[in-house]
Amino acid sequence: GESVGLHLPTLSVQEGDNSIINCAYSNSASDYFIWYKQESGKGPQFIIDIRSNMDKRQGQRVTVLLNKTVKHLSLQIAATQPGDSAVYFCAERRRGGGSQGNLIFGKGTKLSVKP
Amino acid sequence: GAGVSQSPSNKVTEKGKDVELRCDPISGHTALYWYRQSLGQGLEFLIYFQGNSAPDKSGLPSDRFSAERTGGSVSTLTIQRTQQEDSAVYLCASSLVRGANTGELFFGEGSRLTVL
Repeated sequence: GESVGLHLPTLSVQEGDNSIINCAYSNSASDYFIWYKQESGKGPQFIIDIRSNMDKRQGQRVTVLLNKTVKHLSLQIAATQPGDSAVYFCAERRRGGGSQGNLIFGKGTKLSVKP
Repeated sequence: GAGVSQSPSNKVTEKGKDVELRCDPISGHTALYWYRQSLGQGLEFLIYFQGNSAPDKSGLPSDRFSAERTGGSVSTLTIQRTQQEDSAVYLCASSLVRGANTGELFFGEGSRLTVL
């Protein structure tokens, strides 16, 4: 069935290195994508979003890349810091509404930053 | 308040008891979601409220689960005859919906339910 999934469930990086978290989606009707960060014991928080008419969007230390050809989304974190340790979720919004408020979450990737 | 507020933050109950979890969304947000998150797992959609429309209950795992949203604001998730597998963090989120598009979701801190 259609789903949002992640290539890697866990990712361990050295402090200062760049991190790349990947997400695959299968619904070509999705027009908007969001990355959320969830720290231990807290609710998910918005990081960055991107619309399907864009390939790349940059924020502070984060960049989201969208490859619609292969239905792939990635989150890049520059100069990863210990405070970046969290679980990262991608979410897709499916055009046209429908169930779940048309927002579908992936299963998450845990990022661990080694000092 | 400024954010989504959930209560209780922690709830320990005995198997078979009923529990109620409360969510107070951001003022003015018309959409409200409930998700369940088991330890180390992703977000499992439960139910979605949007304005005065009929809620999308497609994610509720059994008829022991129900939710309501009174006056388009506060929502209560009720779990009847709790089972140990109901133990999880229950997350509430709200968003400001523009037309048919769901905006950014703002999450609460969650209610951690432990069923003994």
